[in-house]
Amino acid sequence: GQNIDQPTEMTATEGAIVQINCTYQTSGFNGLFWYQQHAGEAPTFLSYNVLDGLEEKGRFSSFLSRSKGYSYLLLKELQMKDSASYLCAVTAGGGNKLTFGTGTQLKVEL
Amino acid sequence: DVKVTQSSRYLVKRTGEKVFLECVQDMDHENMFWYRQDPGLGLRLIYFSYDVKMKEKGDIPEGYSVSREKKERFSLILESASTNQTSMYLCASSFQTTEAFFGQGTRLTVV
Repeated sequence: GQNIDQPTEMTATEGAIVQINCTYQTSGFNGLFWYQQHAGEAPTFLSYNVLDGLEEKGRFSSFLSRSKGYSYLLLKELQMKDSASYLCAVTAGGGNKLTFGTGTQLKVEL
Repeated sequence: DVKVTQSSRYLVKRTGEKVFLECVQDMDHENMFWYRQDPGLGLRLIYFSYDVKMKEKGDIPEGYSVSREKKERFSLILESASTNQTSMYLCASSFQTTEAFFGQGTRLTVV
């Protein structure tokens, strides 16, 4: 099976940097995704890592270490609109099974 | 833009009814997924399909079945709805190992 762990809640200040960690255990690992989900809305794609290292996309970066089963999402220059749930997800196996962690609720404060 | 459409935003059904949730995608994606989302439990995978007529159980398949007769359509079936199946249901589709796109969700209430 698959096991994905991430913190339940985090709070950060507007303009700051926050790092959301995710650890996973899975067989047949293909890649790792980060999604953002605002309350009452569907998840939207943020980033995808398949190889070790850092992927940067504007204010958002995501890091992967396959050997450690570890990823993080880095959000810079936080804005109030970044208050949302951030979901770590792993795809595995030939059928590309996509499994999500329970999500990290990020609250950005003034 | 990829579009994943779920047939209903809100649905109210009675206990014991057979319920069909429909999902259609317009980008020729091989993979399609059904999740339910409950507070504190996150997105849990019910079933997924990687090709027409192919289906795989997810983490919580009990009480559900699926049908994928055409590539663009993936149906979730609750054979006999129960109150513990009251939830938000989300459908998603993806191309090979690329990102999944989600429908807007169906909030199902079983009374």
